[in-house]
Amino acid sequence: EAGVAQSPRYKIIEKRQSVAFWCNPISGHATLYWYQQILGQGPKLLIQFQNNGVVDDSQLPKDRFSAERLKGVDSTLKIQPAKLEDSAVYLCASSLGQGAADTQYFGPGTRLTVL
Amino acid sequence: GIQVEQSPPDLILQEGANSTLRCNFSDSVNNLQWFHQNPWGQLINLFYIPSGTKQNGRLSATTVATERYSLLYISSSQTTDSGVYFCAVMSYSTGANNLFFGTGTRLTVIP
Repeated sequence: EAGVAQSPRYKIIEKRQSVAFWCNPISGHATLYWYQQILGQGPKLLIQFQNNGVVDDSQLPKDRFSAERLKGVDSTLKIQPAKLEDSAVYLCASSLGQGAADTQYFGPGTRLTVL
Repeated sequence: GIQVEQSPPDLILQEGANSTLRCNFSDSVNNLQWFHQNPWGQLINLFYIPSGTKQNGRLSATTVATERYSLLYISSSQTTDSGVYFCAVMSYSTGANNLFFGTGTRLTVIP
């Protein structure tokens, strides 16, 4: 079974530029998550999708971050414009459902550096 | 939101030694998971354990939900066990199926 795929693996941009990340979840997984992991901290949830609908985006800085999962499969996360404090690893995860017992499987992450 | 504290923050072990990692949480939970993040950044789910005890090879975990803590035991540690171990919880009180991660325990196993 293929795991969660993410691209790119690394990205370096200057502040005020835009950037987009892509995630392809495990086949058949209805729930998709985007997390932000700042160096030295645990991952923090940004947004959760169930199929193509948003379940929770309360932690997403909506003035600069946006995410979509138009066909209920792969997803993109965009930052526009980027700030220095956005430097982090962006992790995508997926699970079969959104129940408490559903295991989340994580992708390898995209490491973003904002200069 | 729910607070998740892990201890110790850093741990250095000789290969073959045993260790116990602790996770304290501030509210009732309906989901608790332990993850290992390897040195390349990949997060791997180790246990789903909102209560009780589970074992998988050299790893075992115990959660005492009434006392709001969980323990991860690593026996006969190997260099491949190095990385950061995270405890993550889902709380009834948040009303959402979000995992809240602790700050992790960084384990280094030296040969």
